[in-house]
Amino acid sequence: EIVLTQSPATLSVSPGERATLFCRASQSVSRYLAWYQHKPGQPPRLLIYDTSTRATGIPARFSGSGAGTDFTLTISNLEPEDFAVYYCQHRTNWPPAFGPGTKVDVK
Amino acid sequence: QVHLVESGGGVVQPGTSLRLSCETSGFIFSHYNMHWVRQAPGKGLEWVACISYDGRDKFYVDSVKGRFSISRDNSKNIHYLQMNSLRAEDTAVYYCAKDLFQYASGERYFDYWGQGSLVTVSS
Repeated sequence: EIVLTQSPATLSVSPGERATLFCRASQSVSRYLAWYQHKPGQPPRLLIYDTSTRATGIPARFSGSGAGTDFTLTISNLEPEDFAVYYCQHRTNWPPAFGPGTKVDVK
Repeated sequence: QVHLVESGGGVVQPGTSLRLSCETSGFIFSHYNMHWVRQAPGKGLEWVACISYDGRDKFYVDSVKGRFSISRDNSKNIHYLQMNSLRAEDTAVYYCAKDLFQYASGERYFDYWGQGSLVTVSS
C-alpha cells in the first residue's frame, strides 16, 4: 500500500503571494497523482490530475509538477477563495489513497 | 449539469446497519465507475469503495472489507453503499464521487462529488 505524506501541515500565506505545497509517496506513483481543494461544508474539488493536467474550469494559477515520489502543487497569486485544505491522491494501485492534507490559511 | 446527491445517513448504534444511496444525473451513469469516500471528524479524506461502470468489479479499503458492500442500478442512475456491523470508527461524512474517465480501468480520479451524508455510529 502506497502512503502519501504532505508538507507543510499548515501554510500561512498572504493574498497575492505564491503557495507551494509538497506531496511525497512511499514508492513511485509514476505521474498518477491528483490534487484536490477542500473547503468546510463543501465537497472536495478536483484541481489537477496526472501530476500537471488541470481539471475542467480550474484557473491557470494552479499548477502541478513532479514525478515518481515527489510532487508539487503551486498556487500563484493567491486569491481569497484559495484558502482551504489541499489533498494529494494517487491512483497507482488499490487503494487510491489520499495524503493527510495541507491547510493554506491567511497570514 | 452533473449532480450527485447522497441520502440515508443518520445516527445508529454499533453493530447495526445502514444503506447510503447516491442519486445521479447529468451524465451517462452506466459509463463511469463510482466511488465512496469518507471523512471522519477532524480527519482527512479516505477512499472507501469503488464499483465498476458495469457493476462487475468492486473494490474496498481493507478496514471495511466483509462489512460494506457497494452496488449500483444503471437503470435508475443510483449506486449504494450497504454498511453492516458498523463501528464507532466508521463515523464520518460519506461522499459519493464519480470517476473522471469513462470506462476507467486503472484510472481513479474523482471529478464530481455529492455534498456528503453524515453517518454517526454511537451507543
